[in-house]
Amino acid sequence: GQNIDQPTEMTATEGAIVQINCTYQTSGFNGLFWYQQHAGEAPTFLSYNVLDGLEEKGRFSSFLSRSKGYSYLLLKELQMKDSASYLCAVRDPRDDKIIFGKGTRLHILP
Amino acid sequence: ETGVTQTPRHLVMGMTNKKSLKCEQHLGHNAMYWYKQSAKKPLELMFVYNFKEQTENNSVPSRFSPECPNSSHLFLHLHTLQPEDSALYLCASSQDTGQGSYEQYFGPGTRLTVT
Repeated sequence: GQNIDQPTEMTATEGAIVQINCTYQTSGFNGLFWYQQHAGEAPTFLSYNVLDGLEEKGRFSSFLSRSKGYSYLLLKELQMKDSASYLCAVRDPRDDKIIFGKGTRLHILP
Repeated sequence: ETGVTQTPRHLVMGMTNKKSLKCEQHLGHNAMYWYKQSAKKPLELMFVYNFKEQTENNSVPSRFSPECPNSSHLFLHLHTLQPEDSALYLCASSQDTGQGSYEQYFGPGTRLTVT
C-alpha cells in the first residue's frame, strides 16, 4: 500500500528555522513534491525532488533520501505569512499518480 | 492567480439535485485533474485527463461524472450526492502527466455542501 506520514501540526517563532519531515512507504517512487496551502486557498507548488540531496530555493529548501524514504522541507527566516499547511506528495511510478499526505499545519508566533 | 479558475466557488445542493462544477485553465497544459479535499484527510485524486482522454478513475462513485471537452476545460457533473460528499473540490492542471517535475497548478476550489 501507499502511506505518507507527516506531523499534523507544528509551531515556530517568527525569524526562526523550522523543519517539516515527511516519510513515505510506497511500492515505487518517482519524485516527491512539497506544496503550500493557506487556509481557504488552493495548494501552490514549492519544490520537487527526484534525486537524493538538498534543493534550495530562497528561504525554502527540500531534502530527499530515497533509501530512507524520507524528505524534509526547511523554512528559514520564518515570516508570519508562512503560516499555512505544507503538503508532502509522492509520485507513484506505476501510474504517475501523485499521492498526498495529510499535510502539516504550521503556526508562526510573533 | 494560478491560471486555473473554478466556478462556482461555493455550492449548496440537496441530495436530489443535479449540478456541475466547472474548471478552466489558461496555461496551455495538457493534463487536468479533479481532487477532493475533506477535513483532516489528504487530498484525494478523483479523475485525471490527459489530452482530453480520461487516464485515471480512482474508484469514484458514479454519482460523480467528469467531462473534458477540450484540454482547457473540465467539468464535474454531480447528481444524487450524499452528505459525506461535502468537501472542497479542487481542479488542477499540469503540462503533462509523465515523468518529470510536472508540478500541478490548482484552482481555488469549489466548497460543496450537500444537505
